[in-house]
Amino acid sequence: KAGVTQTPRYLIKTRGQQVTLSCSPISGHRSVSWYQQTPGQGLQFLFEYFSETQRNKGNFPGRFSGRQFSNSRSEMNVSTLELGDSALYLCASSLTGGRDTGELFFGEGSRLTVL
Amino acid sequence: AQSVTQLGSHVSVSEGALVLLRCNYSSSVPPYLFWYVQYPNQGLQLLLKYTSAATLVKGINGFEAEFKKSETSFHLTKPSAHMSDAAEYFCAVILKSSGDKLTFGTGTRLAVRP
Repeated sequence: KAGVTQTPRYLIKTRGQQVTLSCSPISGHRSVSWYQQTPGQGLQFLFEYFSETQRNKGNFPGRFSGRQFSNSRSEMNVSTLELGDSALYLCASSLTGGRDTGELFFGEGSRLTVL
Repeated sequence: AQSVTQLGSHVSVSEGALVLLRCNYSSSVPPYLFWYVQYPNQGLQLLLKYTSAATLVKGINGFEAEFKKSETSFHLTKPSAHMSDAAEYFCAVILKSSGDKLTFGTGTRLAVRP
């Protein structure tokens, strides 16, 4: 069974640009969550999508957005990039969103560097 | 508000020594608690979870954790460290009442000395 796949794995952008990251969950999983990981802030929850609907959202500015498609694949977008957006962006999938079991399956992440 | 606190951002042990990584939670209602591990350049992997069944939980790779309500703790232990255990470990919590997102602690980086 294939795991969670995130693309691209590495990317470099400049301030002011926008970026789109993609996540393909494990087959059959309907929930996709996104986290930002930085050395200073640790793991911060961005948002969760379930059956194409945003079900939960963290405390990030509106520059951070996401969506989920009918096949459960998800994308997140960051517009007007800032230096502080440099981070590892992790996607996690689960059957129900982890509310019952807390078990999330993580991808290897997309490492974004903003210059 | 729900939260978890991990004491010690870096822990170093000798190979074969006891591993003890500390996690305390703040909640008046026993939450669901988890330990995840992150190896270099990888995503997170679930080690073990507590969901109000047995208070002593056994996980993968010889790790276990004990839920202690009186101490609001969920410390992670392993009797004998192996070089391959070097990684970052995250304690995480979900409150049953809120059905909320998984919230992670700040992580503890474990180094294993030969």
